[in-house]
Amino acid sequence: AQSVTQLDSHVSVSEGTPVLLRCNYSSSYSPSLFWYVQHPNKGLQLLLKYTSAATLVKGINGFEAEFKKSETSFHLTKPSAHMSDAAEYFCVVTSTGFQKLVFGTGTRLLVSP
Amino acid sequence: DTEVTQTPKHLVMGMTNKKSLKCEQHMGHRAMYWYKQKAKKPPELMFVYSYEKLSINESVPSRFSPECPNSSLLNLHLHALQPEDSALYLCASSQEAGSNEQFFGPGTRLTVL
Repeated sequence: AQSVTQLDSHVSVSEGTPVLLRCNYSSSYSPSLFWYVQHPNKGLQLLLKYTSAATLVKGINGFEAEFKKSETSFHLTKPSAHMSDAAEYFCVVTSTGFQKLVFGTGTRLLVSP
Repeated sequence: DTEVTQTPKHLVMGMTNKKSLKCEQHMGHRAMYWYKQKAKKPPELMFVYSYEKLSINESVPSRFSPECPNSSLLNLHLHALQPEDSALYLCASSQEAGSNEQFFGPGTRLTVL
């Protein structure tokens, strides 16, 4: 079985401060992990993915995430938030051969000036 | 071309209407997906097509009827919908079903009156 827990439904930061969005996963298989971002009334855009290569994964727009097997975590970080980062972020787990993505419930990132 | 396109962007329909949603990709992907997303929720998988054959139907009501005319196109035919079917409908594609990374389209915002 696979599941994802996003620990915060909302995260508020000021522009220019660091961002941390937390994600824990559970998987009986070697997991593939993703972060997707969704801006209002838009589709989902892939930010980054982990598929058993390097544990520190760099994505688009300055985001990165670290896969920690011992903690079953895949937290998303960015050193300095920008107003355009305000969006919904989904942590997703799956495994090779599985046709389904398992989504977390999402974290709404709010960025204030 | 790394895009998944969806038409129309918005659709308003009555409960007795018949309409169709269209999705297209030209990345040579052999798997395509329909998701339904309600406000402030993660996407929910509806259907998976693999090599133009339906491989997963997540117990979706028969008023939703998918069709995959060829490897680049995916349609969702709608008939006798209910107001609770109002949602954002997202299409996605991946290289193969089970190849993990899915590319999402911008979605069709459906309102059922």
